[in-house]
Amino acid sequence: QVQLVESGGGVVQPGRSPRLSCAASGFTFGTYGMHWVRQAPGKGLEWVAVISYDGGNKYYADSVKGRFTISRDNSKNTLYLQMNSLRGEDTAMYYCAKESGSSTGMDVWGQGTTVTVSS
Amino acid sequence: QSALTQPASVSGSPGQSITISCTGASSDLDDYKYVSWYQQHPGKAPKLIISDVSHRPSGVSNRFSGSKSGNTASLTISGLHTEDEADYYCSSYTSRTFYVFGTGTRVTVL
Repeated sequence: QVQLVESGGGVVQPGRSPRLSCAASGFTFGTYGMHWVRQAPGKGLEWVAVISYDGGNKYYADSVKGRFTISRDNSKNTLYLQMNSLRGEDTAMYYCAKESGSSTGMDVWGQGTTVTVSS
Repeated sequence: QSALTQPASVSGSPGQSITISCTGASSDLDDYKYVSWYQQHPGKAPKLIISDVSHRPSGVSNRFSGSKSGNTASLTISGLHTEDEADYYCSSYTSRTFYVFGTGTRVTVL
């Protein structure tokens, strides 16, 4: 079935640079745009970044621009989020999500991976 | 800072209908034509329930409906069920910030 599985989260010291991964299966990964969305504990959803189906276009939220980089490897059906210069306010559950394709909106979500920034 | 404002909470009794608003701060009325709505139960990932303002994805109950007037989008839940108790978020592509979520609304079934 269609599935997204995130990994790479954990407790990270401020200033460190972890990379999150999102493994896709059950659909043709290379034909869909992909997003990262995060949710701080007890807070609402915050859009982080998007990448087009071929990796040619990328957009970021102002809160992460210049620190985070979204990328993808269509040969490995995997989405990435390189996170640099982490701050306490980056502590959150990070979800990857697939664009619908037939309409706007994100129709498939992973279960999320938690990133806790703490010394 | 989110550009889409939602009420913090809405409540209703089983069988009733409720409506959640989502208001854009931008004066550009062409923004927010790609409004989506998501349902999130505690500890779970969000689920797409409405896309493109009023399109209901396959498998989503027809008790959920979406609309838009001016710079305000709305989600209506008809015939409220106990399992509808969850957080609801609107979202949209925008010309200013590319994509944004609403502030979120907690729906309580009394």
